Amino acid sequence: GIQVEQSPPDLILQEGANSTLRCNFSDSVNNLQWFHQNPWGQLINLFYIPSGTKQNGRLSATTVATERYSLLYISSSQTTDSGVYFCAGVLYGNNRLAFGKGNQVVVIP
Amino acid sequence: NAGVMQNPRHLVRRRGQEARLRCSPMKGHSHVYWYRQLPEEGLKFMVYLQKENIIDESGMPKERFSAEFPKEGPSILRIQQVVRGDSAAYFCASSPIGTSGTYEQYFGPGTRLTVT
Repeated sequence: GIQVEQSPPDLILQEGANSTLRCNFSDSVNNLQWFHQNPWGQLINLFYIPSGTKQNGRLSATTVATERYSLLYISSSQTTDSGVYFCAGVLYGNNRLAFGKGNQVVVIP
Repeated sequence: NAGVMQNPRHLVRRRGQEARLRCSPMKGHSHVYWYRQLPEEGLKFMVYLQKENIIDESGMPKERFSAEFPKEGPSILRIQQVVRGDSAAYFCASSPIGTSGTYEQYFGPGTRLTVT
């Protein structure tokens, strides 16, 4: 099956700092999503981004489909950004999301 | 527009009992997916269903686990004779009708199963 690698696995940020999370796929995907799992365990959809760039407030994401990677940018981080960020993709001809192991982000005041 | 709903949010079962987890997809969505998140692990696909049909169950354990999505009512993930290793968060997702893979999956809040 498809392999999804996320880096860095752990990240500690000072409030107000910017960061970049990366997701690499072992094969081409035709569906790519980013999620935030908050400290209460809920999965929040952040972006559906099989290609291109999208922005939503302080978050933005870029996917370069031809090189099989995606980046999630967090700007001016806040303590509420803490949690685990997952990326996931669907292989062509498939329907199931394959998840990475996540980026654990802690934002300290 | 209500999101994906799951109940119960927390479920405690003793070893050997049955667990039933329910998922109501978003309005207008007819595709349902179940994923499991074991402690300290990422999320793993279990099963993909459309109304009255199991499309892909390649991630389901061979024994004790079953899923259904009837014509009326929510999708049900059923775990018979639970063991401690079944303790996990179970997430349901749904998507609208669409071609394979090219649609966003929306996740519910999850059911946290604890087996004592």
